[in-house]
Amino acid sequence: DIVMTQSPDSLAVSLGERATITCKASQSVLYRSNNKNYLAWYQQKPRQPPKLLIYWASTRESGVPDRFSGSGSGTDFTLTISSLQAEDVAVYYCQQYHTPPFTFGQGTRLEAK
Amino acid sequence: QLQLQESGPGLVKPSETLSLTCNVSGGSMSSSPYYWGWIRQPPGKGLEWIGSIYYSGGTFYNPSLKSRVTISVETSKNQFSLKLSSVTAADTAVYYCARVNPLDTGMLRTPGYFQDWGQGALVTVSS
Repeated sequence: DIVMTQSPDSLAVSLGERATITCKASQSVLYRSNNKNYLAWYQQKPRQPPKLLIYWASTRESGVPDRFSGSGSGTDFTLTISSLQAEDVAVYYCQQYHTPPFTFGQGTRLEAK
Repeated sequence: QLQLQESGPGLVKPSETLSLTCNVSGGSMSSSPYYWGWIRQPPGKGLEWIGSIYYSGGTFYNPSLKSRVTISVETSKNQFSLKLSSVTAADTAVYYCARVNPLDTGMLRTPGYFQDWGQGALVTVSS
């Protein structure tokens, strides 16, 4: 199985400041034939289901604010929130869909300082 | 706007079979070449993929659960279902259904990222 490891486990950032979450895969999730990284990011607010934010490591889902961005390739990925808003307080998960079983990171809890 | 809604018993006895159905509205499953999936989340913990089924019936299961899981689809009813047998307390979780974006990977069409999610259904395993 591909193990997804996120860091940090929790993070407190002041409103308006940048938040950065990293995700490391135990093996590459880059599919060489199409040069795409099979990596998604989700946001989960309390008592809600996860919401897709980013897929292909850097493509924002429709309707997701442009303060959210994803980057990285191969085994190392980053989710960045450029200016933290109060509504961004949530748990964030990365997920690989390169190889079954499709696996998630353990989650990063983002709080406002 | 596609909507997914899980339904089924909220309490299941140990050793019995957990059964959930996901009703899809706002779109026809039979005319949409998507995968449909199940993911679970134990209370206070992270997410675990259970399995995914193509609208025409092909399945992918998590090997850790494969011996106990059956996912089926009924496009005529616009729904798909999960059965998990021989449950224990470790199967207590919120169970989510999701629409899964299909990927053309080589010669195969495989499940991708989870695009739309249901609200989730808490299933407790207890006698």
